[in-house]
Amino acid sequence: RKEVEQDPGPFNVPEGATVAFNCTYSNSASQSFFWYRQDCRKEPKLLMSVYSSGNEDGRFTAQLNRASQYISLLIRDSKLSDSATYLCVVNGASGTYKYIFGTGTRLKVLA
Amino acid sequence: GAGVSQSPSNKVTEKGKDVELRCDPISGHTALYWYRQSLGQGLEFLIYFQGNSAPDKSGLPSDRFSAERTGGSVSTLTIQRTQQEDSAVYLCASSLLPSTLPSTQYFGPGTRLTVL
Repeated sequence: RKEVEQDPGPFNVPEGATVAFNCTYSNSASQSFFWYRQDCRKEPKLLMSVYSSGNEDGRFTAQLNRASQYISLLIRDSKLSDSATYLCVVNGASGTYKYIFGTGTRLKVLA
Repeated sequence: GAGVSQSPSNKVTEKGKDVELRCDPISGHTALYWYRQSLGQGLEFLIYFQGNSAPDKSGLPSDRFSAERTGGSVSTLTIQRTQQEDSAVYLCASSLLPSTLPSTQYFGPGTRLTVL
C-alpha cells in the first residue's frame, strides 16, 4: 500500500461547480498535512495546511479525518484558473520532517 | 525577497557523464529537500538536510547519487555516470524549521535533466 494515495483523475467539472478530492495516508503517526497545487511544468506551491479542526480559505475547505486516515479538499464555485494538479502531502513519521507527496489529482475546469 | 533558486534550469547530458545540480534555498531556512519528478509522476523524495547534516538519505536511488550542503545554505546534488532513467525534473525545496511544528516547503523551479 502506498503511503499516500490519491485518485489521479482527471476530474472534469464545469465552471461554478463544487468538487472534492480525498487523499488517504497509511501512517497513523503522521501529524502534518498539506494540499499543494502544481500547474503544468511548474513547481508545487502550497495551497493550504490542513488542521485537525478543518480550515477554510475562501473557496477552499480542507478537512482531516484521523480515524479513517484521510484528508479532503473541497473547492466551491470552481474557476477556470483552478485547473491544476492537487498534491496531498503528509509528513512521514512523528518527529521527522520528511514529507510524502501523493501523485496528485488532476482537475480540469471547463468553460 | 528571493525564493528558492536552482541551476541550471535545463541540463542535457550524455549517458555516463556526471552532472551537478545546485540549489540556493531561501535565506534563513534550515531545512532543505531534494525531490525527483518524472514525467507524469508524483514527487519522489531523495534526501533532506537539517543544517549541513542529512538525517534522511533513504530516498537516494543508488550510490551514483550524492548530495551535500555547505554553510547551511547552498546544496548540490551530484549524479555520477548518469543513466537514461535519471531523466526527470529535480526539485529543491526549503523550509523554516520551527522548534515544534513542521513547516511549509517552498519549491524552486526545478532542473530538467535529460540524459541522452
